Amino acid sequence: SQQGEEDPQALSIQEGENATMNCSYKTSINNLQWYRQNSGRGLVHLILIRSNEREKHSGRLRVTLDTSKKSSSLLITASRAADTASYFCATDDSGGGADGLTFGKGTHLIIQP
Amino acid sequence: DTEVTQTPKHLVMGMTNKKSLKCEQHMGHRAMYWYKQKAKKPPELMFVYSYEKLSINESVPSRFSPECPNSSLLNLHLHALQPEDSALYLCASSQVGPAQYGYTFGSGTRLTVV
Repeated sequence: SQQGEEDPQALSIQEGENATMNCSYKTSINNLQWYRQNSGRGLVHLILIRSNEREKHSGRLRVTLDTSKKSSSLLITASRAADTASYFCATDDSGGGADGLTFGKGTHLIIQP
Repeated sequence: DTEVTQTPKHLVMGMTNKKSLKCEQHMGHRAMYWYKQKAKKPPELMFVYSYEKLSINESVPSRFSPECPNSSLLNLHLHALQPEDSALYLCASSQVGPAQYGYTFGSGTRLTVV
């Protein structure tokens, strides 16, 4: 079953602008991860934030996590045409095993050159 | 080697055929997963193997039969599929235990059932 919602479902911005995507989830989690998917192929892991972390950075990516609101956001700064893709949040609620990830519905991001 | 390799990349099969999807990783990951993804939808978990044992089956129909012959290989055997089973099938692997890194996904097998 799907864990949560992402918004917006689609986002179109100009190259160089910042893109922000939001994710909400329903259950308690161990960590939350963001993935990128190009043209319906495999998913690429972008960043993982643990439940006891509030913010994490990786290059042009910034992720925040608010466990009280059960929400996360992904910010991509200085967007590029190559950032055009679908972005999914995924929650891991395993306590130390391997239970699989539960994905949000995704945001389709289009960067206009 | 930091990849998950899936074969074939594309597969067209009839409803009476038997086929298999293959997945291989050499990262030492002891958890492997099958996901199904329909167009414009998120991936949905099908099966989880942990230490080569099936640990999660998300109520998947028996026409899908997973197999984990060893810690590097994962197969998905297909038999008597329906057209609605047409989808992108993704394999992934990860460490078992507290996550430090994300999952590694293969590029998928695009399956069409005719």
